[in-house]
Amino acid sequence: GNSVTQMEGPVTLSEEAFLTINCTYTATGYPSLFWYVQYPGEGLQLLLKATKADDKGSNKGFEATYRKETTSFHLEKGSVQVSDSAVYFCALSDRGAGSYQLTFGKGTKLSVIP
Amino acid sequence: DAGVIQSPRHEVTEMGQEVTLRCKPISGHDYLFWYRQTMMRGLELLIYFNNNVPIDDSGMPEDRFSAKMPNASFSTLKIQPSEPRDSAVYFCASSLAGWGQETQYFGPGTRLLVL
Repeated sequence: GNSVTQMEGPVTLSEEAFLTINCTYTATGYPSLFWYVQYPGEGLQLLLKATKADDKGSNKGFEATYRKETTSFHLEKGSVQVSDSAVYFCALSDRGAGSYQLTFGKGTKLSVIP
Repeated sequence: DAGVIQSPRHEVTEMGQEVTLRCKPISGHDYLFWYRQTMMRGLELLIYFNNNVPIDDSGMPEDRFSAKMPNASFSTLKIQPSEPRDSAVYFCASSLAGWGQETQYFGPGTRLLVL
């Protein structure tokens, strides 16, 4: 079956620090990969996505590259801000299964301190 | 364009009462998903619909939960009778079908507290 494993949190960083949140996956087909972000008290929002190997998704200074050989989709940001404090979810959609369900990781809580 | 709309945003009820959560997906989307989020279990998929037809309800926790989608612009999730362990945030999400279009768009959630 499909699964997503992301690093355990919480992660606490100082403002302007470099961020990496690791995400690895297993999939029966050829998935699309996603990062979602959830700010306190809100729903999940799409942060970025990639649909094929070596694609790089980017948004708001965040980046992630679809690495098929290592089955990974690590999230990075060069300089975090206090406003980036949120929970980050890695997810995959296994289109080969024909269902368009998303399989989510457990989420990583990021706290950025001034 | 309006996003996914959920109502109510907050619901407080007493054990044994019926609770109905409502969702309006993004117009033109083919898929609708209901999720539950708790601290203990994280994000769980309860049920999803394709073109108003339930496809997979294996995540529905028990018979007290039911979901309907009478038309393309409206879905309900009903809990009857409600129990304190049903307290959670319930999200609705919708998406298109097709390669590269399967991004799910989430509503703001309904925060349910069962006393």
